Amino acid sequence: DQQVKQNSPSLSVQEGRISILNCDYTNSMFDYFLWYKKYPAEGPTFLISISSIKDKNEDGRFTVFLNKSAKHLSLHIVPSQPGDSAVYFCAAKAGGGNKLTFGTGTQLKVEL
Amino acid sequence: DGGITQSPKYLFRKEGQNVTLSCEQNLNHDAMYWYRQDPGQGLRLIYYSQIVNDFQKGDIAEGYSVSREKKESFPLTVTSAQKNPTAFYLCASNMGGYNSPLHFGNGTRLTVT
Repeated sequence: DQQVKQNSPSLSVQEGRISILNCDYTNSMFDYFLWYKKYPAEGPTFLISISSIKDKNEDGRFTVFLNKSAKHLSLHIVPSQPGDSAVYFCAAKAGGGNKLTFGTGTQLKVEL
Repeated sequence: DGGITQSPKYLFRKEGQNVTLSCEQNLNHDAMYWYRQDPGQGLRLIYYSQIVNDFQKGDIAEGYSVSREKKESFPLTVTSAQKNPTAFYLCASNMGGYNSPLHFGNGTRLTVT
């Protein structure tokens, strides 16, 4: 049972435009959400997070939006840069525990 | 320069052999984790440890074993009982607090033939 879903396996965007990566979840107990970026043959690196008490968190070019009623979050990258080309994973945790549940990832390609 | 070191980067083993993957961190993190990545399946939690000499099973612990004798080290043994051991294995750590993000190593790609 995939509790965190990233339904778009890939996304292609032109440099300078906005990239929007989407994530849906089914577990209503999730209360903390994170986005990670991963290059091939490397470990994921933490990008940005959001608590369920907020609906938006911004850090430079990266903004995460949370819609609790829809159980949906999205990562906006603006402007997109070629170095942003990577796989992006959303992840969620619940109830004060340490266990992170990851989505399947979206491969972002930023083209010149 | 603090970080998580996983070695080796590539590992090859014959079917039926146990193999141990190394994970060392010098971030002074309390909690350590092992994840497995397979194509199209994201990252799945194998085992985690919140303190020395204690660890818990994750979602896919069958066929794996761990130890946590030192704060800095969390080795993972892939036993012959693991039915599909070929995968990319990622070790991670964090301070253990709820809002503490995971820091990952660069992974070990294990191929069993």
